[in-house]
Amino acid sequence: DQQVKQNSPSLSVQEGRISILNCDYTNSMFDYFLWYKKYPAEGPTFLISISSIKDKNEDGRFTVFLNKSAKHLSLHIVPSQPGDSAVYFCAASGLTGGGNKLTFGTGTQLKVEL
Amino acid sequence: ETGVTQSPTHLIKTRGQQVTLRCSSQSGHNTVSWYQQALGQGPQFIFQYYREEENGRGNFPPRFSGLQFPNYSSELNVNALELDDSALYLCASSFSGALETQYFGPGTRLLVL
Repeated sequence: DQQVKQNSPSLSVQEGRISILNCDYTNSMFDYFLWYKKYPAEGPTFLISISSIKDKNEDGRFTVFLNKSAKHLSLHIVPSQPGDSAVYFCAASGLTGGGNKLTFGTGTQLKVEL
Repeated sequence: ETGVTQSPTHLIKTRGQQVTLRCSSQSGHNTVSWYQQALGQGPQFIFQYYREEENGRGNFPPRFSGLQFPNYSSELNVNALELDDSALYLCASSFSGALETQYFGPGTRLLVL
């Protein structure tokens, strides 16, 4: 049962344009959402997060939008740069089942082309 | 300040064997979480250790076990290896489970033949 879904396995964008990565979730107990970026041979690194009490959070070129009624979030990267090419994971947390665990999506491979 | 390190980087085992993977936490971190990332999938939560006690477990069988030591480093042990255990195993350390300041190691890639 995939509780966090990233339906686009890959996305290709031109440098300078907007990248939009999407994520859907099914568990209404999730109340905190994070985006991670992963380069090959490295662990995921935290990018940006959003609490369920907000609908938008911005950090530089990165903005995350949350639509609770649709159980959907998206990550916008503007402008996209070649160094942004990586796998992006959406993750969700809700303090159920003990521990502060993350439930990850399957990832979207972003390629930013020159 | 050192980052999260994991050893070994790669490992090949045969079905039925046992394996131990190691993780050194970032300095000042007292919580370690372990994740399994199968090919083409996102990381899946195995369990979390806080101050040497298990503090939450995902949907993994008991043959997956762990330890956390007084210096907050950690081990993941897997008994009776199965082919489906082939994956990248990630550990992440944090202070008291804080998610935004949770840092992942580069992982150990395990291949079970």
